[in-house]
Amino acid sequence: EPEVTQTPSHQVTQMGQEVILRCVPISNHLYFYWYRQILGQKVEFLVSFYNNEISEKSEIFDDQFSVERPDGSNFTLKIRSTKLEDSAMYFCASSEATWGQGGSYGYTFGSGTRLTVV
Amino acid sequence: QKEVEQNSGPLSVPEGAIASLNCTYSDRVSQSFFWYRQYSGKSPELIMSIYSNGDKEDGRFTAQLNKASQYVSLLIRDSQPSDSATYLCAVTGGGFKTIFGAGTRLFVKA
Repeated sequence: EPEVTQTPSHQVTQMGQEVILRCVPISNHLYFYWYRQILGQKVEFLVSFYNNEISEKSEIFDDQFSVERPDGSNFTLKIRSTKLEDSAMYFCASSEATWGQGGSYGYTFGSGTRLTVV
Repeated sequence: QKEVEQNSGPLSVPEGAIASLNCTYSDRVSQSFFWYRQYSGKSPELIMSIYSNGDKEDGRFTAQLNKASQYVSLLIRDSQPSDSATYLCAVTGGGFKTIFGAGTRLFVKA
């Protein structure tokens, strides 16, 4: 079964450092997402990406966050200057389609990157 | 603020029983509704989607949608200990993002 692959599985970084979280979405999916889940809390939307640009972003996704699809397979989330409150599980997800289009648009999630900021 | 509300639980049912999970949402323009299962420390896994009013069955799972009442439910028949997890209700409106509820913890007793 096709998978969304995320690396690394766990990253520890010092406050103020930059981190890049990597994802390889399912190859025929067109829509890509980043979500995060602080321990014990709900899954929160960060950003959606389609056709090489951000399609929607949340209030959490401020100027310290950026996303890129540098080649045909990778999808990255960069946090420029990490804060303690950025500690969370970060999930990448992809979908075949989105609302209003044909095809399935439930998400397939990657296994996540646990980011710990110290 | 668009919200998806779920009872946090835990909901405890005996093995073989029917588990009933409920969800309400605030945004009337919401069009697509999903149930995800999340085991502790793992990522969410899609188990059901529903787009039209009524019931949709898939194996032991039945999703029910009532757009007038802004209510979605998930029934799990013949519950198994392996069904013990947190069940996330998720809603997509006219945009690109899906909003998740905080989840209901289900515990199936053997």
